Amino acid sequence: AQSVAQPEDQVNVAEGNPLTVKCTYSVSGNPYLFWYVQYPNRGLQFLLKYITGDNLVKGSYGFEAEFNKSQTSFHLKKPSALVSDSALYFCAVRGSGNTGKLIFGQGTTLQVKP
Amino acid sequence: SAVISQKPSRDICQRGTSLTIQCQVDSQVTMMFWYRQQPGQSLTLIATANQGSEATYESGFVIDKFPISRPNLTFSTLTVSNMSPEDSSIYLCSVQRDYEQYFGPGTRLTVT
Repeated sequence: AQSVAQPEDQVNVAEGNPLTVKCTYSVSGNPYLFWYVQYPNRGLQFLLKYITGDNLVKGSYGFEAEFNKSQTSFHLKKPSALVSDSALYFCAVRGSGNTGKLIFGQGTTLQVKP
Repeated sequence: SAVISQKPSRDICQRGTSLTIQCQVDSQVTMMFWYRQQPGQSLTLIATANQGSEATYESGFVIDKFPISRPNLTFSTLTVSNMSPEDSSIYLCSVQRDYEQYFGPGTRLTVT
């Protein structure tokens, strides 16, 4: 069965420091991996995806993620955090069947302090 | 990309009543998806809606409780029937285009 784990409920970072939000997955076949961000009282915004190719994926707002097949991980990173990055982040996986069904992790709250 | 709108954006409903949520996409898509996000929780897929066929429900969700219509390739509705406070959630419509998945702004439902 497909699954996604985000081991940290909350990540706290000082503004200007690098940030990492962790995600591991389990899926049969090649995974399609996604990161979304949700701001309070707003919808889900797409950040980036990994389908194939380069293991380092660059996305919106300066975020990037590294796909590691051997560790089945897809950690979200940003070199320098902003207070405005504070939000709820979801990792999601779609199985290689590409049916459109996404399995979401439980979410990680990122708190960036000035 | 895909632009998705949902109506209503929020509602407060009484126990035992039903609410129909509408989802409109700016262009034709084969599959539309309905997700639920309970307070403080992650997103869970309720069902997949294909035009011209019955929706496919995920484990734990049934058609009598969450009937879905898909009359054309740009529109779908989700009804939350016989509501209870446990149905208080955000309901999101989603579509896939190429390899990306887009979400509507959500409908915030509170059942009292």
